[in-house]
Amino acid sequence: AQRVTQPEKLLSVFKGAPVELKCNYSYSGSPELFWYVQYSRQRLQLLLRHISRESIKGFTADLNKGETSFHLKKPFAQEEDSAMYYCALSYSSASKIIFGSGTRLSIRP
Amino acid sequence: GAVVSQHPSWVICKSGTSVKIECRSLDFQATTMFWYRQFPKQSLMLMATSNEGSKATYEQGVEKDKFLINHASLTLSTLTVTSAHPEDSSFYICSARDRQSGTSSGELFFGEGSRLTVL
Repeated sequence: AQRVTQPEKLLSVFKGAPVELKCNYSYSGSPELFWYVQYSRQRLQLLLRHISRESIKGFTADLNKGETSFHLKKPFAQEEDSAMYYCALSYSSASKIIFGSGTRLSIRP
Repeated sequence: GAVVSQHPSWVICKSGTSVKIECRSLDFQATTMFWYRQFPKQSLMLMATSNEGSKATYEQGVEKDKFLINHASLTLSTLTVTSAHPEDSSFYICSARDRQSGTSSGELFFGEGSRLTVL
């Protein structure tokens, strides 16, 4: 069965420190993976997708099929990065998207 | 960017009554919309896929007679919680994909969510 696992519920780092939010997935087919972010009192929004291979707000994520991982990284955290981050997997012909349990990122000044 | 609007954002009802939640794509057409449920401090759980002009497809364990979904137009999907009970209290979130972008682009646009409290 398809599954997305985010092992950390909370990650707290100091401003300027590197950040890595972990995500592992389980899917027998060819996966499409995403990171969604939810800032305080805002709706969920797309941060980045693996097929785009782009850097958004300094964040990058590389799909590692061997390790079935899609970790989100940023070299220097900023206070405005504090938010809830969800890793997501798209599958099936209807392109359903399922989400991991989320990681709350807290950046300390 | 694309906007998805949900209404109502907050509703309280008595046990046994039915509640309808609307999800609208304001500036794009959506052949497919998705309904999620989120419990406090938990992730979003996919409930069903709403397909314009056809029946919704439900995820395993979701009662289709309990959660009625109608997707009558390319901009509106509704979720009706029938004979609601306190255990149905939750945060319901809809999302939609721009019809023009196709299914491969992946990005979903989310509504602001609707909090249902059943007394």
